[in-house]
Amino acid sequence: EVQLVESGGGVVRPGGSLRLSCAASGFTFDDYGMSWVRQSPGKGLEWVSRINWNGGSTGYADSVKGRFTISRDNAKNSLSLQMNSLRAEDTAFYHCARVLDPARVFDFWGQGTLVTVSS
Amino acid sequence: SYVLTQPPSVSVAPGETARFTCGGNNIRTKSVHWYQQRPGQAPVLVVYDDRDRPSGIPERFSGSNSGNTATLTISRVEAGDEADYYCQVWDSNSDHSIFGGGTKLTVL
Repeated sequence: EVQLVESGGGVVRPGGSLRLSCAASGFTFDDYGMSWVRQSPGKGLEWVSRINWNGGSTGYADSVKGRFTISRDNAKNSLSLQMNSLRAEDTAFYHCARVLDPARVFDFWGQGTLVTVSS
Repeated sequence: SYVLTQPPSVSVAPGETARFTCGGNNIRTKSVHWYQQRPGQAPVLVVYDDRDRPSGIPERFSGSNSGNTATLTISRVEAGDEADYYCQVWDSNSDHSIFGGGTKLTVL
C-alpha cells in the first residue's frame, strides 16, 4: 500500500524558515517524481514544487521560487521542502504527492502538514 | 500563465447525473486530470488523461475533453460523492502544474 506521511509543520514568524519532510513507503521511491501541493484553509489547491526521480530536475511555482528548495533522499525514501523567507500567504496545508509522468498526474497524496506563518 | 476555470458549485439530487466543467484555452491539447477532495481529507485521483480511471474508482466517474472544455461526469450520484472536485493540467510552456479553482458538489 502506497503511503506518504508529511511532517515538520508548525507555527513560524514571517521571515522565518521551516523544513518539511515526506516519508514514502509501499512503492519503489526512485521510480517516481514527487511534488508538493499546498492548500490554504478554505481555499483551493496550489502546486508548489516538483522533483524528478533522481533529483536532477526541479521546478517551482512563481510564488515560491527563490525561497523554497525541494530535495529528495532516495536511500531514505524521503522528500523534503526547505522553506525560507516565509510570508503570511504561505500559511497552508502542505501535501506531498507522487507524480506519474509524462502528464504529471498526482496519483497518491499524503494527508498534509499545516504551516502557519504568523507573528 | 495557463488558467483553468471551474464553476464554484454544482447541486444534484441522489441518482441524478453531475457534470463538472473545466475551461481552458485549447484545453483539448492537454491531458486533464480530476481529483475528489472530501472535507478534511487528502485529494484522491478519480480520472486521469482526460478519461481513464485509476483502480478502485467506480465506473460512474467518467471524463471527456474537447475544444476549450473538459468535463467530469458522475452518474447515479450518491451522498458519499459530496466533495470538492478539482481539474489539473501540466502546462509544458511554463513547466508548471495548474489547478482549477475547484467545484463543490452538493447532493440535495
